[in-house]
Amino acid sequence: GAGVSQSPSNKVTEKGKDVELRCDPISGHTALYWYRQSLGQGLEFLIYFQGNSAPDKSGLPSDRFSAERTGGSVSTLTIQRTQQEDSAVYLCALGDRGPTEAFFGQGTRLTVV
Amino acid sequence: GNSVTQMEGPVTLSEEAFLTINCTYTATGYPSLFWYVQYPGEGLQLLLKATKADDKGSNKGFEATYRKETTSFHLEKGSVQVSDSAVYFCTLKAGGTSYGKLTFGQGTILTVHP
Repeated sequence: GAGVSQSPSNKVTEKGKDVELRCDPISGHTALYWYRQSLGQGLEFLIYFQGNSAPDKSGLPSDRFSAERTGGSVSTLTIQRTQQEDSAVYLCALGDRGPTEAFFGQGTRLTVV
Repeated sequence: GNSVTQMEGPVTLSEEAFLTINCTYTATGYPSLFWYVQYPGEGLQLLLKATKADDKGSNKGFEATYRKETTSFHLEKGSVQVSDSAVYFCTLKAGGTSYGKLTFGQGTILTVHP
């Protein structure tokens, strides 16, 4: 989507390896979200950054998952010791606090083999 | 917490048929409501939105009205086309002093046949 660049677009990794997914906002927004979408499933909330507030990490499925947002801009989602059930499309979205829409990136398709 | 429940699919229609995808929500405060659409092989994009009670969002022939009394935001289209085949997500954004967190329904797959 316009304004959000995610990399890589595809990632194949071996079970047990660590991976880092990147979300690079092209335009400025105060809010940044990470979701994942498994095949045939809906969107699962992972983490939400809003300005300088503490992130809402309530959706992270385990302590193998972590995310940070540096300087209120670029965000990285790290998955340690990947498992096959981590295979999914990881989506980053940008937004703002008010009643406005979020803009989604094209996602990173992660396959753990 | 907030939640969104939408009509389970898949939904299969013939071209020019009438479409309704039901969506109900549970939320505190005054949320904004959205429908997002995901066309095959593409990312999520906004279809329409409504930010307060009784607002009607509309786009590409689709409409949805924010009904606070029934906590609903049903998506309708009078005459669907093959190009409308996609996955549709009803979405809630927490309002007021809340964080603005997005909550999605489970998605409804729509297939339109010629």
